[in-house]
Amino acid sequence: DQQVKQNSPSLSVQEGRISILNCDYTNSMFDYFLWYKKYPAEGPTFLISISSIKDKNEDGRFTVFLNKSAKHLSLHIVPSQPGDSAVYFCAASPGRAGGTSYGKLTFGQGTILTVHP
Amino acid sequence: DGGITQSPKYLFRKEGQNVTLSCEQNLNHDAMYWYRQDPGQGLRLIYYSQIVNDFQKGDIAEGYSVSREKKESFPLTVTSAQKNPTAFYLCASSGRGGTEAFFGQGTRLTVV
Repeated sequence: DQQVKQNSPSLSVQEGRISILNCDYTNSMFDYFLWYKKYPAEGPTFLISISSIKDKNEDGRFTVFLNKSAKHLSLHIVPSQPGDSAVYFCAASPGRAGGTSYGKLTFGQGTILTVHP
Repeated sequence: DGGITQSPKYLFRKEGQNVTLSCEQNLNHDAMYWYRQDPGQGLRLIYYSQIVNDFQKGDIAEGYSVSREKKESFPLTVTSAQKNPTAFYLCASSGRGGTEAFFGQGTRLTVV
């Protein structure tokens, strides 16, 4: 039972354009959502997060949108750069409902983003 | 520099042998986690620990064991009971009141 789903295995965009990565979840207990970026043979690095009490969080070129009623979130990268090429994972956490364990994450399958020069 | 250190980066094991993966953090984080990544899949939680001397099973704990004797250390043992141990293993930690987990660089375990 996949509680967090990223239905697009890959995405290819041109440098300078917008990249939109999507994620859906099924568990209503999830209270906190994160995006991680991962290069092959390395650990994921945290990008941006959003609490369920918000519908948007922005950090530089990265913006995460949360539609709680649809159980859907998306990551927008504008403008996209070749260095953004990586695997992007969506993750969900029970947040404070999980005690102090914000790191008890449920991950999606990942989306491979390729940004062409 | 503060961070999470996993060792070794690559590990080979013969079938039937137990092997222990190391994870050390100097971030003073209370909680630590072990995840496993398989090709084309997301990360799956094996075990986690919110405090020293306490740990809980994650989604795929069978064939694995852990200990948390020190705050800084959370070693993972892959036992011979794990049917498909070949994978990329990631350790993470998070702090009290912190809002994200920080990951180590991973250990790639191959059973030969």
